This record gives sequence, structure tokens and C-alpha cells, in this order.
Amino acid sequence: DGGITQSPKYLFRKEGQNVTLSCEQNLNHDAMYWYRQDPGQGLRLIYYSQIVNDFQKGDIAEGYSVSREKKESFPLTVTSAQKNPTAFYLCASSPQRGAGGADTQYFGPGTRLTVL
Amino acid sequence: AQSVTQLDSQVPVFEEAPVELRCNYSSSVSVYLFWYVQYPNQGLQLLLKYLSGSTLVKGINGFEAEFNKSQTSFHLRKPSVHISDTAEYFCAVSDGGEDKIIFGKGTRLHILP
Repeated sequence: DGGITQSPKYLFRKEGQNVTLSCEQNLNHDAMYWYRQDPGQGLRLIYYSQIVNDFQKGDIAEGYSVSREKKESFPLTVTSAQKNPTAFYLCASSPQRGAGGADTQYFGPGTRLTVL
Repeated sequence: AQSVTQLDSQVPVFEEAPVELRCNYSSSVSVYLFWYVQYPNQGLQLLLKYLSGSTLVKGINGFEAEFNKSQTSFHLRKPSVHISDTAEYFCAVSDGGEDKIIFGKGTRLHILP
């Protein structure tokens, strides 16, 4: 089955620790995205990548870092610099770069991060 | 930059009644518009999208939306809702030719028995 997997489903972290969220897709999609979801805030874009070894900041990139070493993988690191990291994190992918936002985005099931 | 406004954060509606979820976007330049649905504790999935052509767009699960350029709106409708439609619905708009979209804050649809 093709799709997007995110792991773990639930993640607990102590304050001051970095943590990495996994996102893998086997859809052969070019573009990948990370969103943060907070109650009543909708989805806010953290980072996105249109091609391997390249990525762009979204609206709330501070305190986060990403890498795109392989087409199918786009891990997100939540660093200790992120002041309020408790949230639901969603990864998505879309088929083609350069589609100008026309492509459907396909979402993973999400990771719920709680900072203790 | 684009923005999206979903006017209602929550909409209660009785089962088998019609529903309209409202969405307005900020710019009248050429845009692509989307509605996504999120069931509890899951990711989002596409309901429907408008790229060009007919302004009435039909999607999955009996939903449809109408693109109104003059009013910069893209309201979502369903003639008869079911308990299984209980979810959060997000409107989204393309962002000026870049490979990203902007999401609204969502509307929770509560189906009353």
C-alpha cells in the first residue's frame, strides 16, 4: 500500500531535549511538508521541500530543523529553542514540484508531541 | 500573501439536515481552492478542489462547493448530513504560485441526533 507513515504516534519529551519526528512516503512524490496543528489554529506550515537536498522555511520555522537526504524521507527535529513544542505534527506530500499549489496534498496520521 | 477565513469555528446541525460551511479567501487573483476533512486523531484527506472550469465542484461523500470569484468565497455544502460526517473541515488556498497552500483555522461539524 502506498502512503505516508509518521512515527511515533505519541511522543513525550522533557524540556530542553531535542526530538526527531519521522516522516516516510512511498508515493514517489517530489514535495514534502511539515505542519503544526494547535486547537483552533488550523495548520501552520513549518518547512517544505520540493526536491532532495533543498527545503524552504514556512511560517513558523523558528525552533525547528529538517533534512531531505532521500526523496522518501523528511524528518523534522524539534529543538530546545522551540518555546512551546506541545502540538500535533502532520507530514504531507504532493506529487510534483512546480505545480504552483495545484496538487493535492496527502497526509500522514500525525505525531502528537507532549513536552513534560 | 493569501489568507483564508472560515467564519464559523463550530457548526451544529441535525442529522439529515443540510449544512453549509463558509470559506472566504483574500485575493481575487487566480487561485486554487481546496476543502480537506480531518476525522478525530487522524491526518487530513481531500474532499474536493477547484482548479479551473465549472464553478460547482463535486467531491467525495456527497459534498460539493461553489467557487464565487466576485465574493472570493468557496463555501462547502451537503444536502443531508450523517453522523459519520462528524469531523473538522479545513478550507485552503494556493499561495501565489508557490508549491504550498494556506489553511483556514477549521470548522468543527457536530451532527446532532
